[in-house]
Amino acid sequence: GAVVSQHPSRVICKSGTSVKIECRSLDFQATTMFWYRQFPKQSLMLMATSNEGSKATYEQGVEKDKFLINHASLTLSTLTVTSAHPEDSSFYICSARDHGGGTGELFFGEGSRLTVL
Amino acid sequence: AQRVTQPEKLLSVFKGAPVELKCNYSYSGSPELFWYVQYSRQRLQLLLRHISRESIKGFTADLNKGETSFHLKKPFAQEEDSAMYYCALSAVGTSYGKLTFGQGTILTVHP
Repeated sequence: GAVVSQHPSRVICKSGTSVKIECRSLDFQATTMFWYRQFPKQSLMLMATSNEGSKATYEQGVEKDKFLINHASLTLSTLTVTSAHPEDSSFYICSARDHGGGTGELFFGEGSRLTVL
Repeated sequence: AQRVTQPEKLLSVFKGAPVELKCNYSYSGSPELFWYVQYSRQRLQLLLRHISRESIKGFTADLNKGETSFHLKKPFAQEEDSAMYYCALSAVGTSYGKLTFGQGTILTVHP
C-alpha cells in the first residue's frame, strides 16, 4: 500500500525555538494532507487540513500562527511549531489520501514526538 | 458537531473468545464510519469501513443508524489482535480524510 513518512520521528527542543515536521507521501500524490495531535493516552485531534498550493484550513481552537502549515508540493506538507513551549509537547501525526488509489484510503505517517524543554 | 464515543478504554479477553469493541457516534447527517487499528510500535492503519461491508482479519462491523452504533466484532479473538483500536467518523460533504476519532480501546488477548 501507499506510504506516508514523517520526519523527524522524535525531536527535543528548547522552549522558544521553532520546530519543523515534514510529512511526505512516498509513492503517491496527495493534494490534501491532514495534521493530527495526540496527547498521551488520548485520542487523535484534527488540527488542520493542508491543501497543496493554498492555505491550510485550521480547526476551531488551533492557532494558525502557532502551527504553520505549508503544502508546497503534491508530496510534501510541513508543520512548523513556532516559539514552542512545554505545553506543545505532543505526538503529531499526519495523514494523506491516495486520490489515485481505487479505495481512496487514508494513510497515516508514523508520527513525530515533540518534547519541548 | 460530530462525536465518537468508545466507552471502553481497556478490554481483555482470552484467545478464542468472542470480542466486541463498542463505538457510538453522534452526527445529524449520514456519516461514514471506520475502524482503525494501531499495533504496538506501528502506525495507524485502516481495518475496515462500513461502506465496504467487508470482513478483515475476521473482524466485522455493522452500522446501526437506529442505535447510532458501529461496534467491531470478532467471533474468535487471537493473540495477534492485541492492539489499540479507534473508531472514526467522516461527515458526508467534508473533505474525505477529515476524521473525528473516538478515544480508542486497548484490546488485550490473553493466551
